[in-house]
Amino acid sequence: DAGVIQSPRHEVTEMGQEVTLRCKPISGHDYLFWYRQTMMRGLELLIYFNNNVPIDDSGMPEDRFSAKMPNASFSTLKIQPSEPRDSAVYFCASSFARLGSGETQYFGPGTRLLVL
Amino acid sequence: GESVGLHLPTLSVQEGDNSIINCAYSNSASDYFIWYKQESGKGPQFIIDIRSNMDKRQGQRVTVLLNKTVKHLSLQIAATQPGDSAVYFCAELEYGNKLVFGAGTILRVKS
Repeated sequence: DAGVIQSPRHEVTEMGQEVTLRCKPISGHDYLFWYRQTMMRGLELLIYFNNNVPIDDSGMPEDRFSAKMPNASFSTLKIQPSEPRDSAVYFCASSFARLGSGETQYFGPGTRLLVL
Repeated sequence: GESVGLHLPTLSVQEGDNSIINCAYSNSASDYFIWYKQESGKGPQFIIDIRSNMDKRQGQRVTVLLNKTVKHLSLQIAATQPGDSAVYFCAELEYGNKLVFGAGTILRVKS
């Protein structure tokens, strides 16, 4: 298996522009997670899905952020409009079952976002 | 997990020595903990996990110790190798599927 796939790997955009990050989870995994990593705040959970349904979006910073999972093999994280403080590395992760059940989550390589 | 900041603690060890990385967690109700390794430019990678009904768990060259009394986790790496150089994070499962990560510790292995 190719693991979790994220695209793009790097994104540079200007403040106010829309940014869309993409993720393909490992085939057969029922859970998908979006995380953000910054030096100031570390690694934070933004949202996670179970069977394509958003379960917990309490970590989504504000209305400028939205995430969708139209099918089991694809998810997007959108920022509109983007701001410089959104600059971070965004990770997608997937797991076969809920965490703590004996299954672990596998992280993608991340998308490094820079908003100028 | 630890509160985050700009400066991560760094542990420097000589190749072949044992490494001990420590972590304090915040929620006494957490019952599942994970250690991750993150190499530069990559996503976190699972190392080992432990449930709160255990004090110790061993893997290949790694051991995790859990002290619930003081809410402390440690990761021991035996015979540290240059490939072990990375940032190490502890994480606690707070509720549902929400993992809360510590700030991380940089491990540098000197050859």
